[in-house]
This record gives sequence, structure tokens and C-alpha cells, in this order.
Amino acid sequence: QVQLVQSGAEVKKPGASVKVSCKASGYTFTSYGISWVRQAPGQGLEWMGWISAYNGNTNYAQKLQGRVTMTTDTSTSTAYMELRSLRSDDTAVYYCARYGASPENDYWGQGTLVTVSS
Amino acid sequence: DIQMTQSPSSLSASVGDRVTITCQASQDISNYLNWYQQKPGKAPKLLIYDASNLETGVPSRFSGSGSGTDFTFTISSLQPEDIATYYCQQYDNLPRTFGQGTKVEIK
Repeated sequence: QVQLVQSGAEVKKPGASVKVSCKASGYTFTSYGISWVRQAPGQGLEWMGWISAYNGNTNYAQKLQGRVTMTTDTSTSTAYMELRSLRSDDTAVYYCARYGASPENDYWGQGTLVTVSS
Repeated sequence: DIQMTQSPSSLSASVGDRVTITCQASQDISNYLNWYQQKPGKAPKLLIYDASNLETGVPSRFSGSGSGTDFTFTISSLQPEDIATYYCQQYDNLPRTFGQGTKVEIK
């Protein structure tokens, strides 16, 4: 069965960086991509970007350009999302989801809470 | 960016009621629309893709319709376990964008 298991909660200070992992199992990792979506407390869903696990191609949300990097390690079927220069408004639950041609985002990780606080 | 406008933002209905949520795109997105259900503290769950296709394992009381700019999500007979927030999301263009969500409660 398809599973995406994310790393645990993080507490970071403003200006620091965070790297969230998303380990995939139950499917051929390189046949799909990984989307990243975040949700601030009490707010809606915000698309951050996605990465192809086949060739590493990425597309990032404009507002995060320059601060976010998405990567994959095909040897361990793991995707990573690094966000730098953290601000308080980056406090959110970060989700990864399997990205395919159709349907898109059919399986999701359990979410990783990132808290940015001084 | 394509704006997705969902309505209503919340609703209260009785068990067994028919519930309808609408989602309007700011430009033509063909049928490239997903509907998700999100329960408190949980990840979103894909219910409908390509505007009207039911994801495997999703109960048939859930349905979707529409194309172009106007879409509808329906729960034919609301059940207690359907209490959640529902989101639409377009995947016609980058960046992907979501509606603001509709919180469904039991009256």
C-alpha cells in the first residue's frame, strides 16, 4: 500500500532553516513526483511546489522562490523540502503528497508541524 | 494565478440532507479540478479528481460536476462522519491554487 511518512515536528528560531523529509513506499518512487503543501494554523491549504522524482525538475511557488529547495534521494525513496530564513508566518503544518498525471495528490503524508518562534 | 472561489465558507445541515458546495475558477480550467476532505488534525484526502471522477474507495454519496469555470461538489445524504472542511484545487496551471475551504457541520 502506498505510504508517505514524514519527519517529526520541529521548533526553529526566526532566520533558521528547516528540512522536512517524506519517505515513500508501496510504489515506484521515480514514476511520480512529490508535491508540498502547507497549512498555517486555522488557515487553508497553500501549494508550495513540486519535484519530479524521475529527473529532479522542480517548480516553486513564486512567494517562496529563493527560500525553498525541494530534492529527492531515489536510493531511499525520500523527498525533502528545505525552507530557509524562517519567519513567524512560516509556522504551519507541512504536507507532502504523491504527484501524478491523474489523479494529482492522491496520497498524502501525515504532516509535519514546523513552529517558528523566538 | 488562477483564483478559486468557494462558497459557502461554512454550512450546517442535518444528517441525511443533500449538501452542495460550489467552486468558481477565475479562468477556464477545463475539468482539471480536485475536491479534498480534511478532518481536524488530519491530512487532506482526495475525494474527486478531474472534476467528476470518484477516487477509489470513496463512498458514492460524494459527487462532483462542472467544467470550465464553475464546479459543484455534492454530498447526497450527509452522514456524521462527513463533518470536515472541503477544498477544491485546480491543476490546469501553475501555481496550483486551492479554494478557501468550506466547513461542514451537523445541525
